[in-house]
Amino acid sequence: DSGVTQTPKHLITATGQRVTLRCSPRSGDLSVYWYQQSLDQGLQFLIQYYNGEERAKGNILERFSAQQFPDLHSELNLSSLELGDSALYFCASSEGTSSFTEQFFGPGTRLTVL
Amino acid sequence: QKEVEQDPGPLSVPEGAIVSLNCTYSNSAFQYFMWYRQYSRKGPELLMYTYSSGNKEDGRFTAQVDKSSKYISLFIRDSQPSDSATYLCAMSGRNQFYFGTGTSLTVIP
Repeated sequence: DSGVTQTPKHLITATGQRVTLRCSPRSGDLSVYWYQQSLDQGLQFLIQYYNGEERAKGNILERFSAQQFPDLHSELNLSSLELGDSALYFCASSEGTSSFTEQFFGPGTRLTVL
Repeated sequence: QKEVEQDPGPLSVPEGAIVSLNCTYSNSAFQYFMWYRQYSRKGPELLMYTYSSGNKEDGRFTAQVDKSSKYISLFIRDSQPSDSATYLCAMSGRNQFYFGTGTSLTVIP
């Protein structure tokens, strides 16, 4: 158990809908990272927040947005969902601002878009 | 061209074998090189990371980085059935972070 929690575990929704994925980092970690893992693209970095502020951006679509709240939990919002958005979404956390090397991953949220 | 290329396998070896996993990359800005292990239906867990070129050893695992060739490797000695998992390489630099697609490894008892 990494100490990172994600909810929900599974999510099934329809095209065009909007969903919110939630992540709670390990105690003491200030950075949160979001990743998408699909069979054809592998694990892709989406975005990083550090202490409430966006720190780094990867291949995040404009239909996706994220934020980190004062209690350090983070939410990833996915809107206008398409079939291709079906994937595993992972959250990771680390203590520092640029700790790509020491991230701890949560168990993931499996999103299915029908 | 993808930033990071990794042979997806699958790779199947007998218990006790030496396993070699590799990745190539194109971005010379990468400075940190990592290997993650991912069991089925779980999040990735960090195995090791190295900074710049060189070797790093941790128990049965050895990571090698050759920046001149843009090539990294992970060696697993005395492989065990519990090593059966997907292994992902990852690289970071200038606030960007890329994973390989992962190599599926099965160690047969």
